[in-house]
Amino acid sequence: AQSVTQLDSQVPVFEEAPVELRCNYSSSVSVYLFWYVQYPNQGLQLLLKYLSGSTLVKGINGFEAEFNKSQTSFHLRKPSVHISDTAEYFCAVLRTGTASKLTFGTGTRLQVTL
Amino acid sequence: EAQVTQNPRYLITVTGKKLTVTCSQNMNHEYMSWYRQDPGLGLRQIYYSMNVEVTDKGDVPEGYKVSRKEKRNFPLILESPSPNQTSLYFCASSSPRAGGSYEQYFGPGTRLTVT
Repeated sequence: AQSVTQLDSQVPVFEEAPVELRCNYSSSVSVYLFWYVQYPNQGLQLLLKYLSGSTLVKGINGFEAEFNKSQTSFHLRKPSVHISDTAEYFCAVLRTGTASKLTFGTGTRLQVTL
Repeated sequence: EAQVTQNPRYLITVTGKKLTVTCSQNMNHEYMSWYRQDPGLGLRQIYYSMNVEVTDKGDVPEGYKVSRKEKRNFPLILESPSPNQTSLYFCASSSPRAGGSYEQYFGPGTRLTVT
């Protein structure tokens, strides 16, 4: 079974500052990794994903994440945040070669202020 | 436009009154799934379907039923809703073929309140 830990439930940050949202996972098998964003009163939208290849993955809206197999982490970063980045961010894992179960973390609320 | 639609978006009902939340996708995806989102718990899978007439339980299936008679539709049925099923529900679909993206596409959500 897989599990995902997002230790920070809330991350406050000022506009134009850098941000890192942490994600650690546990799995006995290989996994694919995803970050989803949920804007207020909306569904989930894919930010980026790691399936294979380069461990540094770039996504939409200037976000990027780095897969670290030895530390079982997939932290999300953005060098300069905007007010519009205020949202809930979810890390998720999927067992490779399957689609049966996307396991989510509990989410991190990113609050960007002026 | 490729999308997953859910209806209704908002629903307030009473304990024990059967209800159905519909989900439809226009991307010809084989895989569909239902999740519920609760504060502090993230999203938890209720049921999923790998294809027509193939469904299986997720992490929290108690009190829910599903059916997959057509590839595009995957309704969620609450035979006798209870207050602990008050939640935000999401339907998702994907196409998990070899070489595919494995990305799940989510509907806009259905906010259900059971009194």
